[in-house]
Amino acid sequence: AQRVTQPEKLLSVFKGAPVELKCNYSYSGSPELFWYVQYSRQRLQLLLRHISRESIKGFTADLNKGETSFHLKKPFAQEEDSAMYYCALSGNNFNKFYFGSGTKLNVKP
Amino acid sequence: ETGVTQSPTHLIKTRGQQVTLRCSSQSGHNTVSWYQQALGQGPQFIFQYYREEENGRGNFPPRFSGLQFPNYSSELNVNALELDDSALYLCASSQGADWRYGYTFGSGTRLTVV
Repeated sequence: AQRVTQPEKLLSVFKGAPVELKCNYSYSGSPELFWYVQYSRQRLQLLLRHISRESIKGFTADLNKGETSFHLKKPFAQEEDSAMYYCALSGNNFNKFYFGSGTKLNVKP
Repeated sequence: ETGVTQSPTHLIKTRGQQVTLRCSSQSGHNTVSWYQQALGQGPQFIFQYYREEENGRGNFPPRFSGLQFPNYSSELNVNALELDDSALYLCASSQGADWRYGYTFGSGTRLTVV
């Protein structure tokens, strides 16, 4: 069965510290992975896509098929990174999506 | 903010009733998906429409149905409402069936079933 697991509901770090938001998945085919972010009182928005190999706002994510993981990383957290982060998975036909339950990142000054 | 508009923002219904939620996508966005987000949970995929036809569905019963119209608007209909249907319902649209184009979420409709 398809599943996205984000094991941490809350992650608190100090400004300037490294951040890693964990995401593990279960999927029987070749998945496409995404990270979404929701800042306070804003809409859910796409942060980055595995397929684009991009770095957005200093965040990167590497797909590890052996460990079935897609962890989100940033070397130096900023206070403005405080938000809810969701990992999401789609099959390569992009007609079904699965979200994790989210991790709330709190960056303390 | 432009993009995806959902209406109404809040709604209260009684168990057993039917409800229609509406979504207006930005011009050119011919793919729309609907999600149910319960409190403290991530969005759960309900279904997706591409060019007015359903092309993907999550694990939701048939009483959840939808429509997509040529003017980039869409509807989510839920029949025989149950208490567990209380949630935030999100609409998201994109430029094509391939979500690599990126997509835009609405701010949601908060449905409460009493």
